[in-house]
Amino acid sequence: SQTIHQWPATLVQPVGSPLSLECTVEGTSNPNLYWYRQAAGRGLQLLFYSVGIGQISSEVPQNLSASRPQDRQFILSSKKLLLSDSGFYLCAWGHLNTEAFFGQGTRLTVV
Amino acid sequence: RKEVEQDPGPFNVPEGATVAFNCTYSNSASQSFFWYRQDCRKEPKLLMSVYSSGNEDGRFTAQLNRASQYISLLIRDSKLSDSATYLCVVKAGGFKTIFGAGTRLFVKA
Repeated sequence: SQTIHQWPATLVQPVGSPLSLECTVEGTSNPNLYWYRQAAGRGLQLLFYSVGIGQISSEVPQNLSASRPQDRQFILSSKKLLLSDSGFYLCAWGHLNTEAFFGQGTRLTVV
Repeated sequence: RKEVEQDPGPFNVPEGATVAFNCTYSNSASQSFFWYRQDCRKEPKLLMSVYSSGNEDGRFTAQLNRASQYISLLIRDSKLSDSATYLCVVKAGGFKTIFGAGTRLFVKA
């Protein structure tokens, strides 16, 4: 069966510090991968999606970036965090026209 | 216009009530539709897919109206455990998955 792992579960970082969130998928190959952010009390905002290794589509201009160094690994990064980067970050995977399956999320607080 | 729009609610209903949520989408080329449920501070989880002919899963019924570009979710005989945020999801082009902001439901005894 397929599983998705996302870590860490919670993170508190100072403004201006770097960020690296990692997500890995097991039990499937060539998945579509997604990064979403959810601000407190708000909906999910699609940040990036990837249909293959090295292929990244950015949905919202911001100080975040994503990379896909391996088929089942998706990384979300920032060189310098802003207060507005606080939120619930969710990684998800899916296939063409199928539903998306989510990791348990990382709750990021920038202080 | 947002790609996917939902009434944020909240909907406050008594146990046993029937409640319906609607969701509209802007991209007429959208191909796949889903309803997700999200509990507080948790990740969203698939509730059900939405098929063109409509589909039912126990107390839940989902319908799609392509002409008017909306989907709906009907919950019958509401339970306390149905309290959650319900997210409408639209997939266009097979890859890009867009979530609505969600509709909050509170079921009270």
